[in-house]
Amino acid sequence: EADIYQTPRYLVIGTGKKITLECSQTMGHDKMYWYQQDPGMELHLIHYSYGVNSTEKGDLSSESTVSRIRTEHFPLTLESARPSHTSQYLCASSESAGGKLFFGSGTQLSVL
Amino acid sequence: AQSVAQPEDQVNVAEGNPLTVKCTYSVSGNPYLFWYVQYPNRGLQFLLKYITGDNLVKGSYGFEAEFNKSQTSFHLKKPSALVSDSALYFCAVRDGTGTASKLTFGTGTRLQVTL
Repeated sequence: EADIYQTPRYLVIGTGKKITLECSQTMGHDKMYWYQQDPGMELHLIHYSYGVNSTEKGDLSSESTVSRIRTEHFPLTLESARPSHTSQYLCASSESAGGKLFFGSGTQLSVL
Repeated sequence: AQSVAQPEDQVNVAEGNPLTVKCTYSVSGNPYLFWYVQYPNRGLQFLLKYITGDNLVKGSYGFEAEFNKSQTSFHLKKPSALVSDSALYFCAVRDGTGTASKLTFGTGTRLQVTL
């Protein structure tokens, strides 16, 4: 069982609100990732980090930002949420770059 | 960039029958390939991976995948499907090299197993 946790599990908020999605892992992995999953299932990489103070944008452009101040923590922030941000957000970590990923249960975000 | 394609949005199988979920890949160099499963309201779970060696890879929950270099395929298989296998299945490929590498996922295939 993977030791990677995401909170909240579900979030419904109004347009313009600032939100932070939390992701923590207890496996000591340097590599962490955020994926956005469309309603039609497809996964898109939006952010990744290869270690503390390292963050990179992924393949899909996103208005969100991330930070990596501690190895175990990789939060994602939306400064001003919009309905187009409604999606499922999946956090993952791996021991090595391009290796086996461990996923959290995801955060289902709905912006009204 | 490396990529994988899952040509079927949905696969329907009767319980007890063999199942195949298809995946083809496009890579330069040696492919590192993965299969993941997503049950409803859950994150993705690792099933198996191919890096090198035996073309038949065995994974979790009785699944296996066959790597075929000439057909650039990595199909997921199970000899006898269960209703509980109903889920979303994702093929993935390692993209990039060294510390810059990451996984790129296919579009997913929904497997529906019925009684």
